[in-house]
Amino acid sequence: GQNIDQPTEMTATEGAIVQINCTYQTSGFNGLFWYQQHAGEAPTFLSYNVLDGLEEKGRFSSFLSRSKGYSYLLLKELQMKDSASYLCAVRDRLDKLSFGAGTTVTVRA
Amino acid sequence: IAGITQAPTSQILAAGRRMTLRCTQDMRHNAMYWYRQDLGLGLRLIHYSNTAGTTGKGEVPDGYSVSRANTDDFPLTLASAVPSQTSVYFCASSDSYSGADGYTFGSGTRLTVV
Repeated sequence: GQNIDQPTEMTATEGAIVQINCTYQTSGFNGLFWYQQHAGEAPTFLSYNVLDGLEEKGRFSSFLSRSKGYSYLLLKELQMKDSASYLCAVRDRLDKLSFGAGTTVTVRA
Repeated sequence: IAGITQAPTSQILAAGRRMTLRCTQDMRHNAMYWYRQDLGLGLRLIHYSNTAGTTGKGEVPDGYSVSRANTDDFPLTLASAVPSQTSVYFCASSDSYSGADGYTFGSGTRLTVV
């Protein structure tokens, strides 16, 4: 099974940088995903890591260390529309995703 | 538009009633999933199907059943609803061979059992 931990809430100022950490324990690791979910909406895919290192996609970057069971999502140049919940999810070898409880990010002007 | 359609969008249901949540995808994805999302608990897997004709139990399967008669449809049935099944239900699908794409989610069904 999976045990996935991430902070409950974070607050940051528009234009700033926020880093959301995720730690996991898994019996069979086959990739880590980050999803964004706005209130009342479905989760949408942000990033994917399966090898150690940093993946950059515009203002969003995600990092993975498999040996440490650790990932982070970095949001740069924060905008008001980035206020949302960010979900860390680990995929097992049977292609099933287990999700953390999510981190609610609030961006203030 | 390719994607996943869930119905109904929301429902208020009397306890003890039977209810089927519908999920249809047009992406020809092999695998489909049902999750429930509750405040503070995140998304929890109820049932899944790796391919048409097969289903499996997830983390919280009790009180729910599923079927997968074809590739596109994956209905979730509550045989006798209880208040603890009040939640937001998300259907998702994946092409299990695509690696980096993860899941595509439907827009969700908000269910209230009273």
